[in-house]
This record gives sequence, C-alpha cells and structure tokens, in this order.
Amino acid sequence: GQQVMQIPQYQHVQEGEDFTTYCNSSTTLSNIQWYKQRPGGHPVFLIQLVKSGEVKKQKRLTFQFGEAKKNSSLHITATQTTDVGTYFCAGSSFQKLVFGTGTRLLVSP
Amino acid sequence: DTGVSQDPRHKITKRGQNVTFRCDPISEHNRLYWYRQTLGQGPEFLTYFQNEAQLEKSRLLSDRFSAERPKGSFSTLEIQRTEQGDSAMYLCASTPWGRDQDTQYFGPGTRLTVL
Repeated sequence: GQQVMQIPQYQHVQEGEDFTTYCNSSTTLSNIQWYKQRPGGHPVFLIQLVKSGEVKKQKRLTFQFGEAKKNSSLHITATQTTDVGTYFCAGSSFQKLVFGTGTRLLVSP
Repeated sequence: DTGVSQDPRHKITKRGQNVTFRCDPISEHNRLYWYRQTLGQGPEFLTYFQNEAQLEKSRLLSDRFSAERPKGSFSTLEIQRTEQGDSAMYLCASTPWGRDQDTQYFGPGTRLTVL
C-alpha cells in the first residue's frame, strides 16, 4: 500500500532559526496537504498543493510540491514559539488521505 | 459553533467491553471520515462515508469495529470486545462538497483507554 514518510522525525531549534521538513510518497500523488497538530490537539489543515512543482507561501511558511508529485517540503523561516507542534503531510489517494509519519518541532525561546 | 464535534472526548473502559463514539460533522459536509491515531504516529484511515453510504473500510478495521451514518449527518463508531491495542485517539473529519472536497476538517477526537 501507499506509504508516506517524513524526515526528520523530530527537530529542536532556537527561536529565529529556520526549519524544514521533507515528505516522500511511495506513489505519485494527485495532491498533497499539510496539517499542523499542536500538543494535545487535533490536526488542522494548512494548505493543499495540486500542481507539479507548485510553491505556495503563507507568511513565514513555504510549501513545495515536487516535479514528480511524489515529494513535498515545508520550510518555516525564523521560527517562533507558536510554531511548536507536529507537522504532517498527507497524500490524497482515492478520496482518502494517507498521512506521513510527522515531524515534531520544538522551539526554544 | 460550526466545527466538527466528537463525543465523548475521553473514554476509559475495561477490556472486553463495548464502546461507541459519536461524530457530528460540519453541517452540509457530505463526506465523513474516521481515523485512529496512536502516540507519535500520524492519523491512520479507518473508514469513510459519502452521505449515508460507507464507501471504504481499511484493513485496520477488524470485524469488531463498525461504523454507521444512518441519515447522512452524524456518525457512530462502535468497538466491540475492546482490547488493549484499541487504545488510541479516534479522530473524525468531514469534507465539503465541491472545490475544497479534499480539505479535511478534524474534530477534537475521542481518546480511548482500554484497561
């Protein structure tokens, strides 16, 4: 079955440093979504990428979808303590999502 | 409040007991999904409904699990003869019809602990 892996599993940064998480799918995706889950919370939708090579920005967050539509990345510029949480990518396959393993981000002030 | 709601938020039960969870999706969202999430993992798909029709079930969903969405609105997930391995967060999500149909809106989840 389809698998979606993310690296790193965990990252601890100082506030102001940049952060990147990478997502790789075993199969080509029709689209990819990113979610953020705060500790003790539920996943919250951030963005969806559909086109090959697509790049989208949300303030300090930059999302990319690979040319082959099998990988994606999320980059956060100048992290803040409010960025703490686990970031999941999720590949869309036949009306359901296959979530990645997640990258847990910890930001120290 | 127009978000997805789930009830109960927490459930502690003894092994062998049956439990039932409820999910109320966002009004007029036609698709409803159930996921299971264990600590340190991403949500795993269990099943989904389009209106009242259950369209897909994961292999993770053993015959002890059953889900319904009788009127195409709220849904219930029942686990019979619970096992300790069923301990997890059970998440419900719904998606709207149309352009944003892949965007999933999650509820707060029901945390199940099987003793």
